[in-house]
Amino acid sequence: DIQMTQSPSTLSASVGDRLTITCRASQSISSWLAWYQQKPGKAPKLLIYKASSLESGVPSRFSGSGSGTEFTLTISSLQPDDFATYYCQQYNSYSRTFGQGTKVEIK
Amino acid sequence: EVQLLESGGGLVQPGGSLRLSCAASGFTFSTYAMSWVRQAPGKGLEWVSVVSAGGVGTYYADSVKGRFTISRDNSKNTLYLQMSSLRAEDTAVYYCARDIYDTSGYFANWGQGTLVTVSS
Repeated sequence: DIQMTQSPSTLSASVGDRLTITCRASQSISSWLAWYQQKPGKAPKLLIYKASSLESGVPSRFSGSGSGTEFTLTISSLQPDDFATYYCQQYNSYSRTFGQGTKVEIK
Repeated sequence: EVQLLESGGGLVQPGGSLRLSCAASGFTFSTYAMSWVRQAPGKGLEWVSVVSAGGVGTYYADSVKGRFTISRDNSKNTLYLQMSSLRAEDTAVYYCARDIYDTSGYFANWGQGTLVTVSS
């Protein structure tokens, strides 16, 4: 299986900050990468697919980039609603795998 | 609006069985592959299984292969997960999710989840 590694695991930030979360794949996955946001007790919500395509209804402060084995999720100006855990997920094959998650906390 | 509603979770003893259901609405169910994804308490997300739109193709994570069976009834817009030989490590919230790109895609929509607890 393809292993996905996110960094950092935890990130403390303030409202208005610019944030970048990194996701690395153990082998090339082209652009077959999605990002999700999850809040406590809730289901994950799709933010980005195909590495950089913004899901309908997701605020434009979220953006994704990368290809091959290295990817980033950027939040341009952190809002109170953005404090959550973020997961990357590869879909290079039927055996989908997720990163371990990055928790964004209030500084 | 896409809606996915899981049911069937609960407390089961190790070695026992349980069947989860996921009722779908708001989209043409029979044209999408569907997956189960689970999350152990305080842990990350783990893909469990996927079934193709027509129900013929099925795939499983190694951790559940031979113990879990995924199926669907397109006439009832319902997805199932039959779980047997359950272990403590199967304890998790189980989500059903709508697959994009057949059986190898990302998850556009998720249900609210149903908790399965395996304990004596």
